Amino acid sequence: QSALTQPASVSGSPGQSITISCTATSTQIKTLQFLSWYQQFPGKAPRLIIYEATKRPLGVSDRFSGSKSTPTASLTISGLQADDEADYYCSSYAGGASWVFGGGTKLTVL
Amino acid sequence: EVQLVEAGGDLVQPGRSLRLSCAASGFIFDDHGMHWVRQVPGKGLEWVAGINWRSDNIVYADSVKDRFTISRDNAKKSLYLQMNRLRTEDTAFYYCVRGDDGSTVTTLDFWGQGTLVTVSS
Repeated sequence: QSALTQPASVSGSPGQSITISCTATSTQIKTLQFLSWYQQFPGKAPRLIIYEATKRPLGVSDRFSGSKSTPTASLTISGLQADDEADYYCSSYAGGASWVFGGGTKLTVL
Repeated sequence: EVQLVEAGGDLVQPGRSLRLSCAASGFIFDDHGMHWVRQVPGKGLEWVAGINWRSDNIVYADSVKDRFTISRDNAKKSLYLQMNRLRTEDTAFYYCVRGDDGSTVTTLDFWGQGTLVTVSS
């Protein structure tokens, strides 16, 4: 059981918005410091899409947005597209220079 | 263009050793902390180890402490992971990951493509 809890799966239709939650279950990481979201396609490396809970790296679509209300962070994808179908992971600093990942959420575009 | 290219993954017997390497290019390597993160095929991500830019802050996950050693050579722009006393549960893709500044406490912002380590008799 990860210290960051994500739903195993979410789904939505093209054009809709979906939200994936990430909840800290350990008091050590409840502040969700350096909270990041990663997108991973099958057979590919993860890609950073949100950092510090709400910031978007250059080149990431503004359809991806993040929010945080500790102990939960959320990733919202608006205007869902077929090629958003992927696995999404949250990650947080866990203290002592260590890191923890959520169990991942599989997004299905119907 | 930022590139991280891992190498060294292989099939190895339990109890044996293996050394992974990661060649970095496209950025100033010694401006960044570096990490190894692993992923069992079809499963989630697990942080393994991190090292700051000058190798004086090194941290390990409990699952690999005292068996794995992370190191770096800034002159060669390379990151390494020495894995000893390997177990079947160490079977995974191993990703080399960059931190966005020189410390180990910062966003993990860029990932290599990974190298597969299989531990089996």
